[in-house]
Amino acid sequence: EAGVAQSPRYKIIEKRQSVAFWCNPISGHATLYWYQQILGQGPKLLIQFQNNGVVDDSQLPKDRFSAERLKGVDSTLKIQPAKLEDSAVYLCASSWGLANYEQYFGPGTRLTVT
Amino acid sequence: ELKVEQNPLFLSMQEGKNYTIYCNYSTTSDRLYWYRQDPGKSLESLFVLLSNGAVKQEGRLMASLDTKARLSTLHITAAVHDLSATYFCAVDISYGGSQGNLIFGKGTKLSVKP
Repeated sequence: EAGVAQSPRYKIIEKRQSVAFWCNPISGHATLYWYQQILGQGPKLLIQFQNNGVVDDSQLPKDRFSAERLKGVDSTLKIQPAKLEDSAVYLCASSWGLANYEQYFGPGTRLTVT
Repeated sequence: ELKVEQNPLFLSMQEGKNYTIYCNYSTTSDRLYWYRQDPGKSLESLFVLLSNGAVKQEGRLMASLDTKARLSTLHITAAVHDLSATYFCAVDISYGGSQGNLIFGKGTKLSVKP
């Protein structure tokens, strides 16, 4: 079974630029999550999708971050404009559904904002 | 404020020794997860604990959950170098039948030395 795929793996941008990350969950997984992991900390949930609907985006900084999962499969996370404090690893995870708890994580995208 | 506190944050052990990592949390939850993260890699699920008194073991690792005390432990028996990694606990704070809104601790960086 293929795992969660993410791209790009690394990205370096200047502050005030925009950036987008892509995630392809495990086939058949209805629930998709985006996390931000700052160096030395645990991941923080940004947004949770069930199919193409948002379940929880309470920790997403909506003035600069946006995410979509239009067809209920792939998802993109965008930052516009980026700030220095957005430097982090962005992890995507998926699970079978809201009632099925185990989350499988992708390799992450390491973002550096200079 | 929701808190998930792990201690210790750094742990240097000798091979063959035993030790316990503690995870305290401040909100009601009966679902707790332990993950392992190797440097530069993503998170690997170790244990899913779904009820008070749950105990799970895999190799040299054993995890337990006491929901009344809001405490989980990860016990390491006869440590070996391959266990060197960062270990995270995560508490599920979802409500209303949904799952997956995880709050992570800061992680415990374990180093096992010969």
